[in-house]
Amino acid sequence: GQNIDQPTEMTATEGAIVQINCTYQTSGFNGLFWYQQHAGEAPTFLSYNVLDGLEEKGRFSSFLSRSKGYSYLLLKELQMKDSASYLCAVRKSNTGKLIFGQGTTLQVKP
Amino acid sequence: GAVVSQHPSRVICKSGTSVKIECRSLDFQATTMFWYRQFPKQSLMLMATSNEGSKATYEQGVEKDKFLINHASLTLSTLTVTSAHPEDSSFYICSARWAGNQPQHFGDGTRLSIL
Repeated sequence: GQNIDQPTEMTATEGAIVQINCTYQTSGFNGLFWYQQHAGEAPTFLSYNVLDGLEEKGRFSSFLSRSKGYSYLLLKELQMKDSASYLCAVRKSNTGKLIFGQGTTLQVKP
Repeated sequence: GAVVSQHPSRVICKSGTSVKIECRSLDFQATTMFWYRQFPKQSLMLMATSNEGSKATYEQGVEKDKFLINHASLTLSTLTVTSAHPEDSSFYICSARWAGNQPQHFGDGTRLSIL
């Protein structure tokens, strides 16, 4: 089977940096994806990692360690609009399906 | 970036009605589309994988006769919720990808409310 864990809720301050962790156990791994979802809206793609290391995209970075089954999403210079749910998803190599974690609700405070 | 259009955005209808939801990839050809369902405060649950020109693959526990999927072209997949009941009320979201290693891009979702 597969198991994806991420914290349920996090709170951070505007302008700060926050790291959202995701651990996974799965067979047939073919990439880890991060999506942002605002309440009542569909997810939007943020970043993905197939190989170990750090991928940087502006204020967002994502890191992957396949041997540890671990990823994190790093958000810098937090803005109020970053308050949302952040979904970690693992892609299965044989089917291409995405298996989503429960999501981390981030609240950014002034 | 890739654009996926989903229609309608919201449906309110009586119990027993069948509802069709369309998912279109606007600027790329999607060989595979995915249909998800999301209940309040929960994550996305994959319902089925829709492949152009072939039958959809359903996840365990999803009734294929209740959730009919058609993927007639490389840019369009439809999900029909047949004889919908209040327990089918949920947020239905489609996604599409144009190649195996590319990210899935999501439509805006359809909020279905069955009275």
